[in-house]
Amino acid sequence: GAGVSQTPSNKVTEKGKYVELRCDPISGHTALYWYRQSLGQGPEFLIYFQGTGAADDSGLPNDRFFAVRPEGSVSTLKIQRTERGDSAVYLCASSHREGGELFFGEGSRLTVL
Amino acid sequence: QKEVEQNSGPLSVPEGAIASLNCTYSDRVSQSFFWYRQYSGKSPELIMSIYSNGDKEDGRFTAQLNKASQYVSLLIRDSQPSDSATYLCAVFMNRDDKIIFGKGTRLHILP
Repeated sequence: GAGVSQTPSNKVTEKGKYVELRCDPISGHTALYWYRQSLGQGPEFLIYFQGTGAADDSGLPNDRFFAVRPEGSVSTLKIQRTERGDSAVYLCASSHREGGELFFGEGSRLTVL
Repeated sequence: QKEVEQNSGPLSVPEGAIASLNCTYSDRVSQSFFWYRQYSGKSPELIMSIYSNGDKEDGRFTAQLNKASQYVSLLIRDSQPSDSATYLCAVFMNRDDKIIFGKGTRLHILP
């Protein structure tokens, strides 16, 4: 497809489980961002990739969160030992250049029971 | 001071009137600014980007940027009920090389 694709669209898991969220950016976009959005809040920055490398991961809340982009295209956000407070919509966005306009996927809604 | 600040609203505007949405930011060297619209349960969609001081118009939307005052705004002319949504201001923070969003302003257009 032409847009940013995120899977799964919905994920329900139990506290303590491991979760992976996948993002397939627009073809040719080198910049990829992950954000987390809770109800009534704006998107909260998590991590930014330029190519394969994490240019800025300062928004990751703690070491349970990790993200990779091994070939400079698809990215996976990994959450270990999930907690109820991790419940949110995780948004992925891509851009053709650093600081350029972001285009968002539909998000992955994570619910931790 | 938060990096990107917006009044959370709700802002209620009569149909056909002008809606004015405001945003301030903390990084003096920021160069890129964006407005996104987000409907309930949906992801943000880009409305406009602005990079230079002054006004930029696109249809019913006008973005205004004042870098000296660290202020960016969005005007929506001839407001329609379909404009009812949350409007997010986003700023590319040159000092950190990342795009930060405000909390958003909820806009309600009254029929």
